[in-house]
Amino acid sequence: KNQVEQSPQSLIILEGKNCTLQCNYTVSPFSNLRWYKQDTGRGPVSLTIMTFSENTKSNGRYTATLDADTKQSSLHITASQLSDSASYICVVSTAGGYNKLIFGAGTRLAVHP
Amino acid sequence: EAQVTQNPRYLITVTGKKLTVTCSQNMNHEYMSWYRQDPGLGLRQIYYSMNVEVTDKGDVPEGYKVSRKEKRNFPLILESPSPNQTSLYFCASSDTRGANTGELFFGEGSRLTVL
Repeated sequence: KNQVEQSPQSLIILEGKNCTLQCNYTVSPFSNLRWYKQDTGRGPVSLTIMTFSENTKSNGRYTATLDADTKQSSLHITASQLSDSASYICVVSTAGGYNKLIFGAGTRLAVHP
Repeated sequence: EAQVTQNPRYLITVTGKKLTVTCSQNMNHEYMSWYRQDPGLGLRQIYYSMNVEVTDKGDVPEGYKVSRKEKRNFPLILESPSPNQTSLYFCASSDTRGANTGELFFGEGSRLTVL
């Protein structure tokens, strides 16, 4: 069964600190992996999209890594800001068909001053 | 400004009273999709459309209908809502590439409560 699991479910960090969110997937065949940021009460917004051949991709203070062999991805946030408080959703796309996206349940991050 | 617009944003209704949630995008995207988001679960796809007059079921289509008469609009219809359809609904769109590798743009969400 295609699944995407994220950990931790929730996380609290202090402003300025770094953190890493994890995503494990069992989706096959694999096409790409995406990370989205979802502010409370808003729609998800794309942070990164990585294909099979990409190991790492950055978007400002966000850096995503992908290990296709172990089927793991991580999202590293550097020098966190209060505005980073949100849910972060890992999404894996299967290959061979249109937009079959499997969503993780998300990690809820709270950045405290 | 490129955007996906959903209406209404909030709605409380009663069991069995038909309702429609509208979705409109101004990016000339071919692909549009509806999702529902429930606590502790990832977004689940309800229906999607690859282009005008082309729609298909997602993972949880029961109790929902859609139509795609125009490229920009993709309404979600609940013919006879039930309490288990209480959820947060998102519409999304992308160009055809988005189906596999492109960016998916989401609306702001519609929070529906069925009593």
